[in-house]
Amino acid sequence: DAKTTQPPSMDCAEGRAANLPCNHSTISGNEYVYWYRQIHSQGPQYIIHGLKNNETNEMASLIITEDRKSSTLILPHATLRDTAVYYCIVRANTGNQFYFGTGTSLTVIP
Amino acid sequence: GAVVSQHPSRVICKSGTSVKIECRSLDFQATTMFWYRQFPKQSLMLMATSNEGSKATYEQGVEKDKFLINHASLTLSTLTVTSAHPEDSSFYICSAGISGIGEKLFFGSGTQLSVL
Repeated sequence: DAKTTQPPSMDCAEGRAANLPCNHSTISGNEYVYWYRQIHSQGPQYIIHGLKNNETNEMASLIITEDRKSSTLILPHATLRDTAVYYCIVRANTGNQFYFGTGTSLTVIP
Repeated sequence: GAVVSQHPSRVICKSGTSVKIECRSLDFQATTMFWYRQFPKQSLMLMATSNEGSKATYEQGVEKDKFLINHASLTLSTLTVTSAHPEDSSFYICSAGISGIGEKLFFGSGTQLSVL
């Protein structure tokens, strides 16, 4: 599975949009982009995933560039409870393992 | 969303003893489950892939005789840390997937193992 590169840490003001980037320049055509987050001492929580098109759900939006070499997770109105480590993962079809990178530690500031 | 239940959430044991961790998919069947280990301030490291009805597949460097995995049913996988030592102290997390377009993994809440 393709490797991903994320900034190690970011800050965001409460109520503002948090934009978390991810580079995956070696992504293959059949690999999806997934985002998970992990709040301290808990299991990772699924946020969103996509293949080519931008996606939106109740938690976040996922913007994937046209060449699919990078993506951005957008939390539209960050709250203090969004403080967590966010992981971007690229993975091929069913049954393949999820390998976690180092992630981005997001701190939402009051 | 789908629920993966992991038990126990925390365990303390003496060095040399064995510890079993259970992972259950509560509302779906999982032919494949995954086990991860996480040390403080580090990312999750995949240990093994648990396959229902067959032997688990271990990642390179993970001792299969030390970390015994049993996936006896479509809703239950267990990880047994045998002859635990202090260096095995870690946060262990299981996950299971739901097949579909772009399979999603759901994670348990993790087990904090402390070996004295």
